Amino acid sequence: DARVTQTPRDKVTEMGQEVTMRCQPILGHNTVFWYRQTMMQGLELLAYFRNRAPLDDSGMPKDRFSAEMPDATLATLKIQPSEPRDSAVYFCASGFWTGPTGELFFGEGSRLTVL
Amino acid sequence: AQKVTQAQTEISVVEKEDVTLDCVYETRDTTYYLFWYKQPPSGELVFLIRRNSFDEQNEISGRYSWNFQKSTSSFNFTITASQVVDSAVYFCALSEEGFNKFYFGSGTKLNVKP
Repeated sequence: DARVTQTPRDKVTEMGQEVTMRCQPILGHNTVFWYRQTMMQGLELLAYFRNRAPLDDSGMPKDRFSAEMPDATLATLKIQPSEPRDSAVYFCASGFWTGPTGELFFGEGSRLTVL
Repeated sequence: AQKVTQAQTEISVVEKEDVTLDCVYETRDTTYYLFWYKQPPSGELVFLIRRNSFDEQNEISGRYSWNFQKSTSSFNFTITASQVVDSAVYFCALSEEGFNKFYFGSGTKLNVKP
């Protein structure tokens, strides 16, 4: 079964530390999204890529968040420095979009706790 | 303005009851795509269905059925004869033409009691 793989699954860190979350999209998928889920805000879109090019990262706090796709098999989301309000579950999702077809498949999420 | 509205925050039913989860969307695009996802207590988001705006045929998959009505901008999800394993948060989502962005509703938590 092809699936989106995210690491780490759980991360506890202290305020001010750098956090990097990684995502391996499903092979062949050309679109990658990063979402953040909290009880208060629900699912928030942070950034997304098409063919590795960033299309929109307007949902991210630019001063501390950055998202990249160094190659087609890896997407990263970095927070530096982390703050307690960043505590959330971060989901990566990938899909292959051709217009009439396409679904978005989610990874299991990375649960981040910033103390 | 909310692109996707799921007005029901939480629904509780007893096993074997039918339940409908509402989803209302807003878009100016003529081509768009609607989705339902299930998030069980384990946390992962599971894809259930996708509907294209140009295909208004309703769909049935086992105990699940979806009613897409462009006239009312709704894409409702019905579970027939609910089971405890259906307990989860269900999200409706909209993607506009070009698969740019993916707007999620706030989710409906379904509790199915034995």
